[in-house]
Amino acid sequence: DGGITQSPKYLFRKEGQNVTLSCEQNLNHDAMYWYRQDPGQGLRLIYYSQIVNDFQKGDIAEGYSVSREKKESFPLTVTSAQKNPTAFYLCASSIMVGTYNEQFFGPGTRLTVL
Amino acid sequence: GDSVTQMEGPVTLSEEAFLTINCTYTATGYPSLFWYVQYPGEGLQLLLKATKADDKGSNKGFEATYRKETTSFHLEKGSVQVSDSAVYFCALRKDGANNLFFGTGTRLTVIP
Repeated sequence: DGGITQSPKYLFRKEGQNVTLSCEQNLNHDAMYWYRQDPGQGLRLIYYSQIVNDFQKGDIAEGYSVSREKKESFPLTVTSAQKNPTAFYLCASSIMVGTYNEQFFGPGTRLTVL
Repeated sequence: GDSVTQMEGPVTLSEEAFLTINCTYTATGYPSLFWYVQYPGEGLQLLLKATKADDKGSNKGFEATYRKETTSFHLEKGSVQVSDSAVYFCALRKDGANNLFFGTGTRLTVIP
């Protein structure tokens, strides 16, 4: 089955700790994205990557970091510099060319910082 | 800048009622427009899409028409079901780009 997996589904961390969220896709997509979703708000783009070993900041990159060492994987680290990290995090991927470039989403990780 | 404005929810309807969720956008050029649906505790799924003016996207009984003259992409369904209860997001992708701009989402609850 092709798709995007995110793990874990729920994550709890103490304030001041860094935490890494996993995102893996087996769709052979070039582009991958991280979004943050807060209650009553739309999705906001944190980082995106169009190709291995390259990534760009989105609208709210401060306090986050990413890596793209493999095409299939795009982990997101929430650092202690992120002032309000409790949120629902969604990973997505898409092909780079084509009319629609539909983004496929993973099931999300809910991060709670205690 | 590019943006999407959705009608605020929540929206509560009885089963078999008619649904409209308004979406308007601001963008230069000719963006592609999307509706995504998010069921409780899950990620987003693409519901329908349209890439040029007057295109109508449709799926699972839902429809939306790309209206450039009114910069709108309203979502409609003639007869909603309890299983349609979810949060619906309108989104745009600027021509030539890969990033999506999302609206704030509209929560729909359908009661039997």
